Amino acid sequence: ETGVTQTPRHLVMGMTNKKSLKCEQHLGHNAMYWYKQSAKKPLELMFVYNFKEQTENNSVPSRFSPECPNSSHLFLHLHTLQPEDSALYLCASSRTSGEQYFGPGTRLTVT
Amino acid sequence: AQSVTQPDIHITVSEGASLELRCNYSYGATPYLFWYVQSPGQGLQLLLKYFSGDTLVQGIKGFEAEFKRSQSSFNLRKPSVHWSDAAEYFCAVLYNTDKLIFGTGTRLQVFP
Repeated sequence: ETGVTQTPRHLVMGMTNKKSLKCEQHLGHNAMYWYKQSAKKPLELMFVYNFKEQTENNSVPSRFSPECPNSSHLFLHLHTLQPEDSALYLCASSRTSGEQYFGPGTRLTVT
Repeated sequence: AQSVTQPDIHITVSEGASLELRCNYSYGATPYLFWYVQSPGQGLQLLLKYFSGDTLVQGIKGFEAEFKRSQSSFNLRKPSVHWSDAAEYFCAVLYNTDKLIFGTGTRLQVFP
């Protein structure tokens, strides 16, 4: 499999649930990213990992917890989310200073 | 502060017509610029990029973009639009080596 994959593609969760989003890149990149895409808002960078080290946390609430066990895998752990967290969550990867390649996204609905 | 502006929220064109999507950026140094396309329910696909050199860059699907430093612009063009080009288009600038700033996007509608 090539490119950037994300699972699940769709997720519905209650506000008290705990769930995780998974991202995997098969491109040999060293950096991975989480973005949030809400309706009528620009894409928001959430987290950046470079060589497994977190280099950016863009003032994201603690109910979102990222994990990067290696340069190919990235997780976003979710707990006690709010309805306004419903959005498309996109993962991307790149080489340093290179173009970013995006996965298909996970459509999250918080009920 | 770095920013990207896409002044057109929604553009409608007829199939076969030419297309130009506008993008203006604010960035202190030499910018790395990108155009991405997103179909409904999908992730973003890279159309083209500008890092340096020739200011007219060619991309996939017949798209091209021209970097104009004097106007802080990076407009996307296509000479003849196909119905399959209907999607949302995002311009972005890279800063600090790994952070993309996106514009708010332009939704393209194509009429037969």
